[in-house]
Amino acid sequence: QKEVEQNSGPLSVPEGAIASLNCTYSDRGSQSFFWYRQYSGKSPELIMFIYSNGDKEDGRFTAQLNKASQYVSLLIRDSQPSDSATYLCAVPDSGAGSYQLTFGKGTKLSVIP
Amino acid sequence: DGGITQSPKYLFRKEGQNVTLSCEQNLNHDAMYWYRQDPGQGLRLIYYSQIVNDFQKGDIAEGYSVSREKKESFPLTVTSAQKNPTAFYLCASSLTGAGNTIYFGEGSWLTVV
Repeated sequence: QKEVEQNSGPLSVPEGAIASLNCTYSDRGSQSFFWYRQYSGKSPELIMFIYSNGDKEDGRFTAQLNKASQYVSLLIRDSQPSDSATYLCAVPDSGAGSYQLTFGKGTKLSVIP
Repeated sequence: DGGITQSPKYLFRKEGQNVTLSCEQNLNHDAMYWYRQDPGQGLRLIYYSQIVNDFQKGDIAEGYSVSREKKESFPLTVTSAQKNPTAFYLCASSLTGAGNTIYFGEGSWLTVV
């Protein structure tokens, strides 16, 4: 069974601070990684994806990937109250012909004004 | 507008009834998925389909059934055999091929009364 682990939180940060969300995965063959944001009662929406080791930046969001450590993180700079949500890490199954995503249980982020 | 439409948004089921959740997409995606989410939990895969007239069981398929007669449509039936169906149900779609982004519909809330 493929596993994707996240701290459930809640993670509380003050407005304007950097929020750091972490995710570890068990499937060494995984090649791509996704971060989704889910507001309470809503469906997940894609924030970022990353394929290569290192950092990928998009606005206030930075995804970091370390395949050797099987670790992916999401940094949110200048956190805003509107960033308060649950963040889901998702990892595709590396098996041949499989297009499934395994999701972590999510980290709940609360940005305090 | 392109997207994934789920209906109904809210549904109440009596004990012993079957109910069907609709999912339609106009993104021209070959792959479609059904996930279940319980409060405070991650997403669990119920069924997925990579092509018309073919579908595969996910991690929690017992008590559910699906059909894929058209590329655009992937309805989910929650049968009376599903003993604890109260949950948030999410339909999703993607292009086929490893690592493609999965996009979600707005979700359907099912409550047993």
